[in-house]
Amino acid sequence: GAVVSQHPSWVICKSGTSVKIECRSLDFQATTMFWYRQFPKQSLMLMATSNEGSKATYEQGVEKDKFLINHASLTLSTLTVTSAHPEDSSFYICSARDPRDLAQYFGPGTRLTVL
Amino acid sequence: AQSVTQPDIHITVSEGASLELRCNYSYGATPYLFWYVQSPGQGLQLLLKYFSGDTLVQGIKGFEAEFKRSQSSFNLRKPSVHWSDAAEYFCAVAPSGGYQKVTFGIGTKLQVIP
Repeated sequence: GAVVSQHPSWVICKSGTSVKIECRSLDFQATTMFWYRQFPKQSLMLMATSNEGSKATYEQGVEKDKFLINHASLTLSTLTVTSAHPEDSSFYICSARDPRDLAQYFGPGTRLTVL
Repeated sequence: AQSVTQPDIHITVSEGASLELRCNYSYGATPYLFWYVQSPGQGLQLLLKYFSGDTLVQGIKGFEAEFKRSQSSFNLRKPSVHWSDAAEYFCAVAPSGGYQKVTFGIGTKLQVIP
């Protein structure tokens, strides 16, 4: 299957700082990538859809100024959590849609802890 | 709007026993259907998907799922469970064709006992 990577796998930061998470499709080009957030023992919550070369589409209730998404190329999307606070601590997972089979393939996730 | 129901939050089976995880969806037309597996602290791995055609879908790791339109179901099955199958399983649905916004079920946690 298609491979998606995420970096970093975990990050600890101080409150008020910004953190950037990268999502890469390694063996296919993805015009569409997705960012999810997962709380402990819960399902995935879609935060936004990232389209290459255009602005991301955010889900209702997600602050676009806080969660900045950039999809600069067909293999890379980034999520920047700006002015992070402890309540932003979570497991963030990206996925990329493979145009060859239309399925979404997920990265391994990034554990963010804000102190 | 589409939705997914996984009625079993937690299932325990003995190693070697058969497994069936239930999934029901709500959508106006025939959707795209997926099963994903997540090990602790990991991302999601695609087990199998259904878009159209044969309603019995074979996936990786010996899993299969059957799409039943009349029951709006897409249950996941495995004839003989291995200890390594212990994980969280998510059923997901997306509109067929075009833009795909996937909706996930709440997940079923599978525990395998020796």
